[in-house]
Order: sequence, then structure tokens, then C-alpha cells
Amino acid sequence: EAQVTQNPRYLITVTGKKLTVTCSQNMNHEYMSWYRQDPGLGLRQIYYSMNVEVTDKGDVPEGYKVSRKEKRNFPLILESPSPNQTSLYFCASSFRTTGDSPLHFGNGTRLTVT
Amino acid sequence: GQQLNQSPQSMFIQEGEDVSMNCTSSSIFNTWLWYKQDPGEGPVLLIALYKAGELTSNGRLTAQFGITRKDSFLNISASIPSDVGIYFCAGLKPAGGTSYGKLTFGQGTILTVHP
Repeated sequence: EAQVTQNPRYLITVTGKKLTVTCSQNMNHEYMSWYRQDPGLGLRQIYYSMNVEVTDKGDVPEGYKVSRKEKRNFPLILESPSPNQTSLYFCASSFRTTGDSPLHFGNGTRLTVT
Repeated sequence: GQQLNQSPQSMFIQEGEDVSMNCTSSSIFNTWLWYKQDPGEGPVLLIALYKAGELTSNGRLTAQFGITRKDSFLNISASIPSDVGIYFCAGLKPAGGTSYGKLTFGQGTILTVHP
């Protein structure tokens, strides 16, 4: 089944403890992206990647890192999480890097930083 | 970053009623997209619009790409309980040529349908 898989679905951690949220897609998609969803703010883009080894900042990249060493994986890294990074995170991918190719979203990772 | 203004923020309607929501921006977009998010899941694409003035339907859903290219509208006719969820608009301004660039989302409209 074609899908975007995020892990974990839920994560509770403490301030400063490094964590990684994994994202994998099995559709051979070129484009991948991370978003955070907060009430009243919609979805805000953190980072995106047009292809392997090509990543760019989105609107809210501070406090996050990403890597794209393989086409299928696009992990989100929080080196030193803080409470303001408590949020619902979504990974998404698209077959082409053109606007006529729909974004496929994962089911989300709910992160709580205490 | 660039922001899309989506309204209303929430709607409470009776089953069978029609629904309208819209997104506006101070910037021009080349593509407008409408997504729906069911509880506990990621957003799913409903309708994509690629041309100013375009009117596109998907079942009971109809969306329009505004003539000014700065706004878009989504209408749902004869709402049913499974229409419940959060609806997002998204605008795409390509980074250059036909590349995807950055997709900007609206704040979302929370729809509640009472049976």
C-alpha cells in the first residue's frame, strides 16, 4: 500500500533530550516536507527537500534539522527540544516537484516536551 | 512567513445545509489546493485549482480559483455528518520554473455537522 509512515505516533520527552521523528515513503517520491500543526495557526512548513541531499528551510525551521540521504527517508531531528516545540507534526511527500502532483501526508506525530 | 487568511475559523451547521469557506492573501498564487483533515489523520487533497477563474467540482464539493489569483473559495452542498473535520486551503507559488517551492497553508476551518 502506498503510504507515508511516521514514527512514533506519540512522544513525550523532556527539555533538552535529543529526539528523531522518522518519515518514510514507499512511492519513490522526489519531494518531501515537514509541517507542524498548532491550533489557530494551521500547518506551517519546517523544512522541505526537492531531492536526495537537497534540503531547504521552510517558514519555521529554528530548532529543527533534517537530512535526505536516501530518497525514501526524511527524518526530523530536534537536537535540544523545548516546550514551544510541543505540537502535532506531519511529514508529506509528492511524486514530482511540480504543483500538479498532490501532497500525501503521514498520520502525524504528537510531540509533548515538558 | 507568508500567510493565508482562511475564514471562518469554525462552523456549526445542521445536516443538509450548504457550507462556504474562503481563503485570501495579499500575494498572488499560481495554484490553490483544498485539503480535509479527519480526526487523528493527516490532510487529504480534495480539489486542486491551476488557473484563475477555474471552477472545479468533486462530488458535493465545488472550489473556485479567484480571478485576482489572491483568493479561493470552497463550497460544500447538502452537508452530511462525515463532512466533519478541518478544511485547509493552501497556496503554491513556485520557487522558479515548474518546481514545487513552498506550499503555504491557511489556518483551517473546523466544521461540525449536527445530525
